[in-house]
Amino acid sequence: KAGVTQTPRYLIKTRGQQVTLSCSPISGHRSVSWYQQTPGQGLQFLFEYFSETQRNKGNFPGRFSGRQFSNSRSEMNVSTLELGDSALYLCASSLDRVEKLFFGSGTQLSVL
Amino acid sequence: GENVEQHPSTLSVQEGDSAVIKCTYSDSASNYFPWYKQELGKGPQLIIDIRSNVGEKKDQRIAVTLNKTAKHFSLHITETQPEDSAVYFCAAHGDSGGYQKVTFGTGTKLQVIP
Repeated sequence: KAGVTQTPRYLIKTRGQQVTLSCSPISGHRSVSWYQQTPGQGLQFLFEYFSETQRNKGNFPGRFSGRQFSNSRSEMNVSTLELGDSALYLCASSLDRVEKLFFGSGTQLSVL
Repeated sequence: GENVEQHPSTLSVQEGDSAVIKCTYSDSASNYFPWYKQELGKGPQLIIDIRSNVGEKKDQRIAVTLNKTAKHFSLHITETQPEDSAVYFCAAHGDSGGYQKVTFGTGTKLQVIP
């Protein structure tokens, strides 16, 4: 059974640009959630999508958004990038609730 | 909102010894408490979890205990092996205002010395 796949693995952007990250969940998993991991703030919950609808969200500004497609694949977008957005962005999938999460290896985003 | 404190931040043990990592949470509505292991260059991997209606759960060398009254839960690893070396995260999940909330601890870097 294939795991959670995140692309790209690494990204380098400059301030003000926007970026889109992709996540393919485990087959049969309908919930996809996103997390930001930084040395200073640790792991923080961004949002969760289920059946193409955002069902839960954390405390992040509106520059962070996402969507989910009918095949459960999800994308996350960050607009007007700031230096502080440099982080490892992790995607996780689960059957239906935000529990028993299976994480991808993440996308390492560097904002210069 | 929920606050999860995790201690210690680093832990070194000799191979074969036990390791204990502790987390405390603030929101009494939290009802699901997983532990994740993260190895270098990889995403976190769920190793064990416990729900609020259970006091203890064990899976081979790993166990988790939950004290709802004191709002703390702990990860116990017995007979540690070098491959147990990683960063461990606890988390607390709860339902609030129709939303699921998940808050992670700050992580514990475990080093098992051969």
